[in-house]
Amino acid sequence: DGGITQSPKYLFRKEGQNVTLSCEQNLNHDAMYWYRQDPGQGLRLIYYSQIVNDFQKGDIAEGYSVSREKKESFPLTVTSAQKNPTAFYLCASSIRTDEQYFGPGTRLTVL
Amino acid sequence: SQKIEQNSEALNIQEGKTATLTCNYTNYSPAYLQWYRQDPGRGPVFLLLIRENEKEKRKERLKVTFDTTLKQSLFHITASQPADSATYLCALDRGGYQKVTFGTGTKLQVIP
Repeated sequence: DGGITQSPKYLFRKEGQNVTLSCEQNLNHDAMYWYRQDPGQGLRLIYYSQIVNDFQKGDIAEGYSVSREKKESFPLTVTSAQKNPTAFYLCASSIRTDEQYFGPGTRLTVL
Repeated sequence: SQKIEQNSEALNIQEGKTATLTCNYTNYSPAYLQWYRQDPGRGPVFLLLIRENEKEKRKERLKVTFDTTLKQSLFHITASQPADSATYLCALDRGGYQKVTFGTGTKLQVIP
């Protein structure tokens, strides 16, 4: 059963903490993406990766970091430098950029 | 940078009617334009893709048009049903591995 998974579904963070959001896909897709979605706003691209061991900053990369050590995995770390991290985070993958397959999302709340 | 405009106000429509959603863009013409459906608290789901050299694309009750002169795409749902109620996002990309830009989405409510 192919797909893309994200964990955890809900995540709570204290101010000053780093947290890592997991994203795994078994679709054999080369490209993976991280988006942030805030109420009333569209998806904003944080980072994307076209191939293993390579990634590029999106529109709002400050305060975030990623790695792409395996084709299947693209974890996102929200660092303490991100001033307003409370949001809904979506991971996606695609063969090229034709259609993106999204995960179920992680809702991050800063306490 | 590319700017995408979707009607931010919710669209309410009676069951059985045709819903029409609009996506306008500025600047460059994309190679592809995509439409996604998003339900509350879930990730978007891909619906249709239309290329710049295509005028129209259909899939079951869905139809998408693409007018590069007007810089506009229209998304139609015919014989709408309450189950079609969701937020619909349009997304533009240049093709290749360049990043895709998403609109803010239009919330559709189909009233029984």
